[in-house]
Amino acid sequence: LAKTTQPISMDSYEGQEVNITCSHNNIATNDYITWYQQFPSQGPRFIIQGYKTKVTNEVASLFIPADRKSSTLSLPRVSLSDTAVYYCLVGGNDKIIFGKGTRLHILP
Amino acid sequence: GAGVSQSPRYKVAKRGQDVALRCDPISGHVSLFWYQQALGQGPEFLTYFQNEAQLDKSGLPSDRFFAERPEGSVSTLKIQRTQQEDSAVYLCASSLGRGHNYGYTFGSGTRLTVV
Repeated sequence: LAKTTQPISMDSYEGQEVNITCSHNNIATNDYITWYQQFPSQGPRFIIQGYKTKVTNEVASLFIPADRKSSTLSLPRVSLSDTAVYYCLVGGNDKIIFGKGTRLHILP
Repeated sequence: GAGVSQSPRYKVAKRGQDVALRCDPISGHVSLFWYQQALGQGPEFLTYFQNEAQLDKSGLPSDRFFAERPEGSVSTLKIQRTQQEDSAVYLCASSLGRGHNYGYTFGSGTRLTVV
């Protein structure tokens, strides 16, 4: 299972774009990159998934360079309600393994 | 239902007591997972079911932990002779498949406190 490294915590302000980068140097050919969001007292929620290049949905964008050794979750114009823990996961046909995630704190 | 439902939402158990935690997955989801989340940590994998078959129980911390899904739908995680280190949030997730290419839908969890 590819190990991921992401910042422990980040602060930003309302209305800003937030980018959280995750390193996964040992990613395998068949591995997908998936991000989950978790609010206090709730289970993790799927945000976005990608394999290469760029993926965008109504919530976020995911940028993956050609070597796939890292990925960046981009949250446009964050609000206070985006304060949460964000997990980067890498894997293929196996169970998902969570790390400690990035605690994102949005300030007014 | 529309999501994964877990009950009870909170459980306080005296040390040594047995507990049973229930998970109702999304209808039609083949895969069901249990995770344990300690305070301030990411969820840790406990066990995985595909329909009624328990295909992976490598994360169960001891033989006091037992999970079942007899009809391939509702699942129960049972903890016998609870200990204080069992205090955590127990999360259930369901999915159409096992791998990362399937999004997992998590329930809100059961917070277990052993006193």
